[in-house]
Amino acid sequence: EDKVVQSPLSLVVHEGDTVTLNCSYEVTNFRSLLWYKQEKKAPTFLFMLTSSGIEKKSGRLSSILDKKELFSILNITATQTGDSAIYLCATLSGGSNYKLTFGKGTLLTVNP
Amino acid sequence: NAGVTQTPKFRVLKTGQSMTLLCAQDMNHEYMYWYRQDPGMGLRLIHYSVGEGTTAKGEVPDGYNVSRLKKQNFLLGLESAAPSQTSVYFCASSYLQAGVGNNEQFFGPGTRLTVL
Repeated sequence: EDKVVQSPLSLVVHEGDTVTLNCSYEVTNFRSLLWYKQEKKAPTFLFMLTSSGIEKKSGRLSSILDKKELFSILNITATQTGDSAIYLCATLSGGSNYKLTFGKGTLLTVNP
Repeated sequence: NAGVTQTPKFRVLKTGQSMTLLCAQDMNHEYMYWYRQDPGMGLRLIHYSVGEGTTAKGEVPDGYNVSRLKKQNFLLGLESAAPSQTSVYFCASSYLQAGVGNNEQFFGPGTRLTVL
């Protein structure tokens, strides 16, 4: 059974801190790993990672994938209160029948 | 572009009642998905569709039916609602399979359903 495990499940930091969110996976026929940010409503797409060691960056957010050790990290530097959200990790796996498996998410709270 | 819209936003049902949730997208996407999100469980795929007239089961399909009669619409039906179906339901769409190439999923705002 495919598994995606995120850690920590929740995290409270102060504005300006740097945080690292973790996502490990055990899936059959891995294709890609995706990160989403979910504020009050719908998840919004952040990154898609397919290759090991290549950092994807968007402003203060960055992410990298390690296909050998089967994990990804999402870094947020100089956190702001607007970064408070649930961060979801998902993997796409499969050959002809794709499967998208989500982790349970990390709840990040950034206090002023 | 409205993106992905869902109706209704909230609904309360009694056990045994039926209802249909409507998802619409105006991005000409082929793939559409229905997820449920429960506390501590992440997003779980109920059903999905890879094109007009097609549907397929996801991870937790029992108790739900879907239809994709038009490309832009994906309907999720509950024939006989149960308290275990109390959840937040999200619809999503993507041009092709999300996670392949540059295909990302766009999510709707969600429907909060309570079954008493």
